[in-house]
Amino acid sequence: QVQLVQSGAEVKKPGASVKVSCKTSGFTFSNYGVSWVRQAPGQGLEWVGWVSGYNGATNYAQKFQDRLTMTADTSTTTFYMELRSLTSDDTAVYYCAKDRSASVREDWGQGTLVTVSS
Amino acid sequence: QSVLTQPPSVSAAPGQKVSISCSGRSSNIGNNGVAWYQQLPGTAPKLLIYDNDKRPSGIPDRFSGSKSGTSATLGITGLQTGDEADYYCGTWDISLNPGFAVFGGGTQLTVL
Repeated sequence: QVQLVQSGAEVKKPGASVKVSCKTSGFTFSNYGVSWVRQAPGQGLEWVGWVSGYNGATNYAQKFQDRLTMTADTSTTTFYMELRSLTSDDTAVYYCAKDRSASVREDWGQGTLVTVSS
Repeated sequence: QSVLTQPPSVSAAPGQKVSISCSGRSSNIGNNGVAWYQQLPGTAPKLLIYDNDKRPSGIPDRFSGSKSGTSATLGITGLQTGDEADYYCGTWDISLNPGFAVFGGGTQLTVL
């Protein structure tokens, strides 16, 4: 079955960077892309960006363009999201989700809590 | 401020039916399929409906979806206490190039 297993919780200071991993199995890695979606405490879902498992192409939400990097490692079937220059507003649970299409997040990871605090 | 508009909360009694609306515009719902997600407390979202009205394997037919113009609706019949969750609609928006994914603000369902 499809599985997306994310790395553990992180605590970072303002201005630092965080890198979250999403280890996948149960599907052909190069046939799909993964979206990253975040959820601040008590808030709704916010799309962060997308990365292709085929060629590593990316599409980032405008607000993250200058401090976000998403990558795909075919050798380990793992996706990564790195967010830099963190502020307290970045405190959230970050989810990776396998995309069925541009409009559909089909399978989700368990989430990674990133806390930004001085 | 979410791109898609949902009511903050809805409620109904066990066994009853409830509908959750999702309103957008031509650049998103008007031009792309809508998905619905269920998020039980403390868990990751789960896909309930995709392409407006299709159910993934394992999703009971108590859950249904529809779309008309720039709005979509999730229907749940035979409500159970286990249906208490937050529900989100989502789609793709083409108002920018490249496009981007958008979600509603979420609707909290209470089964009284």
